[in-house]
Amino acid sequence: AQSVTQLGSHVSVSEGALVLLRCNYSSSVPPYLFWYVQYPNQGLQLLLKYTSAATLVKGINGFEAEFKKSETSFHLTKPSAHMSDAAEYFCAAKIIFGSGTRLSIRP
Amino acid sequence: GAVVSQHPSRVICKSGTSVKIECRSLDFQATTMFWYRQFPKQSLMLMATSNEGSKATYEQGVEKDKFLINHASLTLSTLTVTSAHPEDSSFYICSAFLGTPNTGELFFGEGSRLTVL
Repeated sequence: AQSVTQLGSHVSVSEGALVLLRCNYSSSVPPYLFWYVQYPNQGLQLLLKYTSAATLVKGINGFEAEFKKSETSFHLTKPSAHMSDAAEYFCAAKIIFGSGTRLSIRP
Repeated sequence: GAVVSQHPSRVICKSGTSVKIECRSLDFQATTMFWYRQFPKQSLMLMATSNEGSKATYEQGVEKDKFLINHASLTLSTLTVTSAHPEDSSFYICSAFLGTPNTGELFFGEGSRLTVL
């Protein structure tokens, strides 16, 4: 069975700093991985998805994620955080979601 | 992108009553829809997979008789919380899958916040 682990329920970075949100998966089949963002009281918005076409996936709002099979990871990064990036982020393996990471941005 | 709409976005009901939440795919046909429940500051918990024209598949621990799911058409799935109790208060989110199994993606509704008094 697939499972997704997000390390760190809360990450806080300064505005302009690097954002790194961690995601590891376990799967017996080739993974089909997603990152979503959720703002308060709203549904989920797709940031990016991995479908085996390329290991480095670029998404919206300057986010990208790199699929590393050897590490079973799909970490989400953004070079420079913006205040508007403050939200909840979820990594998912198709329909199974990780526990989420709340990203806070310090002025 | 594809649009999925949920209604109502917020609902308050008395304990013991039933509440229906609708999930519609507005510009595509969805043979499969998924219902999630989200507690405050927690992740999405998959409740059930809704299949058009057949019975829903429920995840372990989800009461079928409490959470009735109907997927009568290719654009509409409904979740009915029967005899609601305060512990059923939560944020319910639906999603519809569009595309092939290996390249498609989920599109999410805006969510419905249920408060049971």
